[in-house]
Amino acid sequence: GEDVEQSLFLSVREGDSSVINCTYTDSSSTYLYWYKQEPGAGLQLLTYIFSNMDMKQDQRLTVLLNKKDKHLSLRIADTQTGDSAIYFCAEREDGGSQGNLIFGKGTKLSVKP
Amino acid sequence: EPEVTQTPSHQVTQMGQEVILRCVPISNHLYFYWYRQILGQKVEFLVSFYNNEISEKSEIFDDQFSVERPDGSNFTLKIRSTKLEDSAMYFCATGGQETQYFGPGTRLLVL
Repeated sequence: GEDVEQSLFLSVREGDSSVINCTYTDSSSTYLYWYKQEPGAGLQLLTYIFSNMDMKQDQRLTVLLNKKDKHLSLRIADTQTGDSAIYFCAEREDGGSQGNLIFGKGTKLSVKP
Repeated sequence: EPEVTQTPSHQVTQMGQEVILRCVPISNHLYFYWYRQILGQKVEFLVSFYNNEISEKSEIFDDQFSVERPDGSNFTLKIRSTKLEDSAMYFCATGGQETQYFGPGTRLLVL
């Protein structure tokens, strides 16, 4: 079945760029997503990309999609301590009218001052 | 900014008891979902709901689970007879064509 894989941890210094990587298996996914989860909170939609795009930029966030390799990345420029959270990659399973999301295990980003 | 809300935020119940988890979707959204996250594991899809009926459901969503929109606004998940392994964070999500927005979750603990 479909699967989404992410590395579990990433540690960066404040002000550096963070790059969180994700691989997925379903080549028919139309949308791919990044969600952020802060401790004790729900899943906040950060950004998403349509599968016919290679890149999407939204302020400090840059999403890169390599459809051939089924690789998605999220770059956070000028990482701040407030960016410390778990980041989930998700692909949309497009079987029905509005497919459900398949999530990775999440990457815990720690930002050191 | 519109948000998905969920109640209660926490629920503790005894094994075998029924629980109902509630969600208020974003008002113009047509697609509704329940997901769960067992501690330390992935967020897993349970069920999707559109046009007052289930669109898809996962293997997890067995006969013990049901969903409904009793009054056309709230979206509920009922677990008829809870098991220990139902302990998890349950997330409601609602969506339009491209995106799904998640609520803050209900943490369910079954003792």
